[in-house]
Amino acid sequence: RKEVEQDPGPFNVPEGATVAFNCTYSNSASQSFFWYRQDCRKEPKLLMSVYSSGNEDGRFTAQLNRASQYISLLIRDSKLSDSATYLCVVNQAGTALIFGKGTTLSVSS
Amino acid sequence: ETGVTQSPTHLIKTRGQQVTLRCSSQSGHNTVSWYQQALGQGPQFIFQYYREEENGRGNFPPRFSGLQFPNYSSELNVNALELDDSALYLCASSFPTGALTDTQYFGPGTRLTVL
Repeated sequence: RKEVEQDPGPFNVPEGATVAFNCTYSNSASQSFFWYRQDCRKEPKLLMSVYSSGNEDGRFTAQLNRASQYISLLIRDSKLSDSATYLCVVNQAGTALIFGKGTTLSVSS
Repeated sequence: ETGVTQSPTHLIKTRGQQVTLRCSSQSGHNTVSWYQQALGQGPQFIFQYYREEENGRGNFPPRFSGLQFPNYSSELNVNALELDDSALYLCASSFPTGALTDTQYFGPGTRLTVL
């Protein structure tokens, strides 16, 4: 079983749609959680940290369920500029970031 | 931008050769991590350097080695290149405080092609 597994993509949605990405992780000792965004042939960029209480940043909402070892990202009112690969990331011991394979989102007009 | 820089941007090598990739961390960051990202995959952790010492290593063979310098910049060296080493090599810098929000900030990467 992979350490971090994400929904298979790609997700193709129209502008204005709401889209949700899911992610599960296998190591219950994982300490911190993130979503990164990666544009084609570019480096990953931090989108947001994920907390057990849930957190929101504009149109983006992230949730963490430690009991189920499940992380989610909700994007509301999708924009063309949201088209990218979204990487679910777990940090276990303060050193390595463990990445999922990524889910590709394509938003069309 | 993150302030993390990497050189070179692109590199083409042949099997069996050796390569050195360089990274300058963000100002104030004392920790550098290296990742390999193959096409269609998420980045894979190679190793991390903290204050010039290796501080964790992923599942990569010894022909992948590194250094960190007193100014916290870093090098990744790969010996005896194989075709499967073709990938985007990412450097990430950080300043660990023990907080749950500690994370890493990535440079633009070096795209290595091995022929």
